[in-house]
Amino acid sequence: AQSVTQLDSHVSVSEGTPVLLRCNYSSSYSPSLFWYVQHPNKGLQLLLKYTSAATLVKGINGFEAEFKKSETSFHLTKPSAHMSDAAEYFCVVSDSSGTYKYIFGTGTRLKVLA
Amino acid sequence: DSGVTQTPKHLITATGQRVTLRCSPRSGDLSVYWYQQSLDQGLQFLIHYYNGEERAKGNILERFSAQQFPDLHSELNLSSLELGDSALYFCASSVRASGTYEQYFGPGTRLTVT
Repeated sequence: AQSVTQLDSHVSVSEGTPVLLRCNYSSSYSPSLFWYVQHPNKGLQLLLKYTSAATLVKGINGFEAEFKKSETSFHLTKPSAHMSDAAEYFCVVSDSSGTYKYIFGTGTRLKVLA
Repeated sequence: DSGVTQTPKHLITATGQRVTLRCSPRSGDLSVYWYQQSLDQGLQFLIHYYNGEERAKGNILERFSAQQFPDLHSELNLSSLELGDSALYFCASSVRASGTYEQYFGPGTRLTVT
């Protein structure tokens, strides 16, 4: 069975400092991995995805993620946090058994301090 | 704007009642997925339809049912509602891109059972 584990439920950073949100995955297959962001009272927006084409994936709003098979990790980073980045972030693996349903991590709430 | 629409945005109802949540996928997308987001369970997959046919079921209660119509919109029916059914319900449609299926989420329907 596939799963993702988000290692931190809350992360606080100061504006202008780097962001690191950690995600480990478990999968028998080469996984399709995603990061989504959810702003308060909003839907889920796709930030970036990994599909085996490149291990370093660039997304929207300056976010990046690196797929590391040896560490089974897919951590999300951003060089400099902005106040507007404050939100909840979900690491997701797509079920490769045929339905492609999403399996979500428990989420990391990012707080950005002025 | 993801292109996925959901109505209503908010729904307040009493225990024991029945409600219907509606979702319209992005133009051209044949798949609809339903997810439930609650404080205690996080984001969980409920059910997947593709071009009118049920493809997969997740942790969906027997009191819940869904269907997808010929025009591809979908409805999620929740009956004999309990307090614990209070949650945010999302639908998503998917498109194949770069070797995987990306999901685009609607804004959600917030259900409050009193």
